[in-house]
Order: sequence, then C-alpha cells, then structure tokens
Amino acid sequence: GDSVTQMEGPVTLSEEAFLTINCTYTATGYPSLFWYVQYPGEGLQLLLKATKADDKGSNKGFEATYRKETTSFHLEKGSVQVSDSAVYFCALSSARANAGKSTFGDGTTLTVKP
Amino acid sequence: DGGITQSPKYLFRKEGQNVTLSCEQNLNHDAMYWYRQDPGQGLRLIYYSQIVNDFQKGDIAEGYSVSREKKESFPLTVTSAQKNPTAFYLCASQEGGYTEAFFGQGTRLTVV
Repeated sequence: GDSVTQMEGPVTLSEEAFLTINCTYTATGYPSLFWYVQYPGEGLQLLLKATKADDKGSNKGFEATYRKETTSFHLEKGSVQVSDSAVYFCALSSARANAGKSTFGDGTTLTVKP
Repeated sequence: DGGITQSPKYLFRKEGQNVTLSCEQNLNHDAMYWYRQDPGQGLRLIYYSQIVNDFQKGDIAEGYSVSREKKESFPLTVTSAQKNPTAFYLCASQEGGYTEAFFGQGTRLTVV
C-alpha cells in the first residue's frame, strides 16, 4: 500500500535559518503530494501541493518539488520565522490505492527560536 | 465560507459513558474521515465514509462507531468499549482522489 516517510524530528532552528524537512513516498501510480501544517491545538491546514512530476508547490515562502525519480517531496524555506513553529505533515492522495484516502507521514515538529 | 465544523472543542467523559463528537461540512464532499491524534504522534484513521449510508473501518476502529445519514454530517461516537479515549480527534473531508483534505479544528476528549 501507499506510505509516506518523513525525517524524524523534532527540528530546532534559529530565526532566519534555512529549513529542509525530508519526505519520501511509496505509491502505486502517480499520486498528488501535499504538505500540511498544524499549529498547537488546531486542525491541519494545507500548506502547498503538487499534482504531477516536476511541479513545484509554494506558499508563504515554503517550497517543495515533486521528484518522481527519487519519490521525494522535500519541504524547504530559505529563512524561517518564530511564527513557523508548528508540526508539518507530508501526505499523498491517489485514486488507485486506498480508495482516494490521504496517506500521512508521522509529522515533524519544528521549533524556531528568536 | 465553506469548511468543516467540529463540536465541541473540548469534551469530558466519565468512565463508562458514550460520547458523540459532531462533524459537519458544507463543502459538498462525498468523502469524510475521522482521525485520532495522541500527543506528539501522527494521525491514525478511525473510520471513513465515501458515500451516504456507507462507511468503512480504519486502522483503529475498535471502541468507536459512526453514522452517515446525510452527506453533510459524519458523527463519531466514542463508546465505553474504548479503554483509552483521551486524545485529540480530527474530522476531515475530501472531494475525491488526488485532492487535498480539509480538516476541522478538532475536539479534545478527556476522560475524568
């Protein structure tokens, strides 16, 4: 079945540091890929998405590129802020397997210190 | 605005009680899901429904029950058979395959 593997956390960075959170996936066919963000006590929100190979999703300074050859969708941000502190989930969705359900990674907790 | 509404935000359950968590969506999505999240953990799928009057068990369905009588509503009942119900519960919906999930704000359930 489908699976998503995220780098283990937690990740602690200083403000303005460069962020990378690794994500690799296993899926049948060509899934859509997503990054979600969860702030404390809240539900998940879509951060960005990519629907086909070589697509780059971007939002709020975050970027991720759909790499089919390496089955990866790594999240990057050039300069993090304290307000970026949250839990980040990588996910995929396809129609062929899992009846369209999303498959989520375990989440990576990011803490940004001033 | 379209979205998913979960209620209540906080819920307290006594030992041996059943409690029901509400989830309503006005996005016209066919698929709806219930997840459980424990502190510092990822999401675990409890139940899902892809169409009215039909639902399937997820990975941790024991001690939970659901119904899907209306497209907009997918309530979750935490029964007394669930021995460790204290957790954060998230409801989500999707338009279909290849699309993003939309989440509610969650219900935090605590056993007292």
